Amino acid sequence: GAVVSQHPSRVICKSGTSVKIECRSLDFQATTMFWYRQFPKQSLMLMATSNEGSKATYEQGVEKDKFLINHASLTLSTLTVTSAHPEDSSFYICSAPFPGGARETQYFGPGTRLLVL
Amino acid sequence: GEDVEQSLFLSVREGDSSVINCTYTDSSSTYLYWYKQEPGAGLQLLTYIFSNMDMKQDQRLTVLLNKKDKHLSLRIADTQTGDSAIYFCAESKGNKLTFGTGTQLKVEL
Repeated sequence: GAVVSQHPSRVICKSGTSVKIECRSLDFQATTMFWYRQFPKQSLMLMATSNEGSKATYEQGVEKDKFLINHASLTLSTLTVTSAHPEDSSFYICSAPFPGGARETQYFGPGTRLLVL
Repeated sequence: GEDVEQSLFLSVREGDSSVINCTYTDSSSTYLYWYKQEPGAGLQLLTYIFSNMDMKQDQRLTVLLNKKDKHLSLRIADTQTGDSAIYFCAESKGNKLTFGTGTQLKVEL
């Protein structure tokens, strides 16, 4: 069964609105979670590392004011796309290292498809 | 930079073996992974190999690692239609993963 969940699975919004995506670790704690973005027929690009209790670490070229990350608890990280525009339409996937598995093994959520009109 | 490259497409007949190849550039990677992504879904971890290993077998899956050439391959024995998906290799440094470009595997009857 899934060990990482995401909500919503699919969202359509108007340009200029903000969208919040949740990533939850199920039955385990994750002090670190990762957010990726995937364009159609392309690979996953790491956007940021979400750290519980501290600020997220963003990859080069990712606007931290546009993609707000909050890791408020050991099982929940949220990604908020602020003032979304059509170019933000993408597939957003989170992951979390799974304790007890091989070191550095990560499990991925099912993804959230965002469409900005 | 860290570039991980894969061929874009592979077509095989059901029952044949599939071999998906991956080349990476970061020799300090500790683990290398293979993930499977079905249409519209997230990534499913298939298998991984530690960088000091040459080979790992897990049921129908065999991973070969040539560290000298920075080449990783995934062999799927007795390929089934349910294996049709996109396969990503990934290398890790710490908890950060760098993904390959993905190989779309199509299994034909």
